[in-house]
Amino acid sequence: SQQGEEDPQALSIQEGENATMNCSYKTSINNLQWYRQNSGRGLVHLILIRSNEREKHSGRLRVTLDTSKKSSSLLITASRAADTASYFCATEPGEAGGTSYGKLTFGQGTILTVHP
Amino acid sequence: NAGVTQTPKFRVLKTGQSMTLLCAQDMNHEYMYWYRQDPGMGLRLIHYSVGEGTTAKGEVPDGYNVSRLKKQNFLLGLESAAPSQTSVYFCASSYPSYIGNEQFFGPGTRLTVL
Repeated sequence: SQQGEEDPQALSIQEGENATMNCSYKTSINNLQWYRQNSGRGLVHLILIRSNEREKHSGRLRVTLDTSKKSSSLLITASRAADTASYFCATEPGEAGGTSYGKLTFGQGTILTVHP
Repeated sequence: NAGVTQTPKFRVLKTGQSMTLLCAQDMNHEYMYWYRQDPGMGLRLIHYSVGEGTTAKGEVPDGYNVSRLKKQNFLLGLESAAPSQTSVYFCASSYPSYIGNEQFFGPGTRLTVL
């Protein structure tokens, strides 16, 4: 079963606008990650936020994490046509007394289209 | 560095045929994973390996087998392909870290079973 639910399923914006994608999950986590997938390609890691962090920045990316609500958001500022892709959140579980061996559970993704 | 590579890129099988997908990584990563991606869905974990000679089941292991005889290679086998196994298959690898395991993905193999 899918751990993450992403919202919206699709997002269409103009270049220069901001894009916000949301992810909700069900179980306790060690960290949450965001990946990007260009059409027909493999996934590329964007950013990782640990369960004890609330916000993280990387370039034009801003990720927030609210563990009490089991949700995260990815904000892409000043979007570009090259940002057009699918974006996936993925959670690494918090395993009590052990390790998850890096296993990730992915959401269904948000398809972002940025129009020039 | 080539990163993670997958062979083949495309394949068409008939129901009942068998095949092996090869994944290779040159980053000396301990962990390796096989996922499948179906339309409108995220990736689902098939099998994974935490080191040479070890494998374990993921979320959707039925109909697949894996082997990790060498650290850099992770093979995914379909013994008797079924149309339900039509999908895009991705291999990934990562290095153990208590901070979190960023995964590096291959380009994918598009498999069609007729």
